[in-house]
Amino acid sequence: DTGVSQDPRHKITKRGQNVTFRCDPISEHNRLYWYRQTLGQGPEFLTYFQNEAQLEKSRLLSDRFSAERPKGSFSTLEIQRTEQGDSAMYLCASSLAGGANEQFFGPGTRLTVL
Amino acid sequence: GNSVTQMEGPVTLSEEAFLTINCTYTATGYPSLFWYVQYPGEGLQLLLKATKADDKGSNKGFEATYRKETTSFHLEKGSVQVSDSAVYFCALSYGGATNKLIFGTGTLLAVQP
Repeated sequence: DTGVSQDPRHKITKRGQNVTFRCDPISEHNRLYWYRQTLGQGPEFLTYFQNEAQLEKSRLLSDRFSAERPKGSFSTLEIQRTEQGDSAMYLCASSLAGGANEQFFGPGTRLTVL
Repeated sequence: GNSVTQMEGPVTLSEEAFLTINCTYTATGYPSLFWYVQYPGEGLQLLLKATKADDKGSNKGFEATYRKETTSFHLEKGSVQVSDSAVYFCALSYGGATNKLIFGTGTLLAVQP
């Protein structure tokens, strides 16, 4: 399967703990996106990488959130000192650069903060 | 700011009924418009797109026309099937440097046999 993969698929944690999610994009895609989706809402943009450079961050991305994409391949999203409000589905997408190229989404990581 | 508004669901239809899911947008300039679909237990998939005014996107019997004058991109299908049951998201992007997507809240479609 050469689609976008995310790991883990589900994560339950206690408030105050740190969590890290991983996204593996489609191999030839140089753009990688993170979105967050809460219940009953559409996905909201969090951040974007072109190759290894993080080029845009949403105001939704507080200083407890950090994302990396070393070597322009997989990406990680870390949330420090989790809060109950962080409970959501975290989606990763990748695309080729240029124009309105299709973003291919992974299955998401569902985070539950107790 | 830029935003997308979708009709609220759930939309419940019988098999072979006609489907319309309304989508309007607020944006400066000329965004590209998309419909994504999320089947139960699966990730978001692009259903169709249109990149300029009057373009019609189509796929799997679904169609949507980019109407700049009414800032709309309504999704239609002439005859729905049970397998079309899913959540449908309307979205826009400006392409360019980021190409980030701005989504509506989604509309749940349930098709009954």
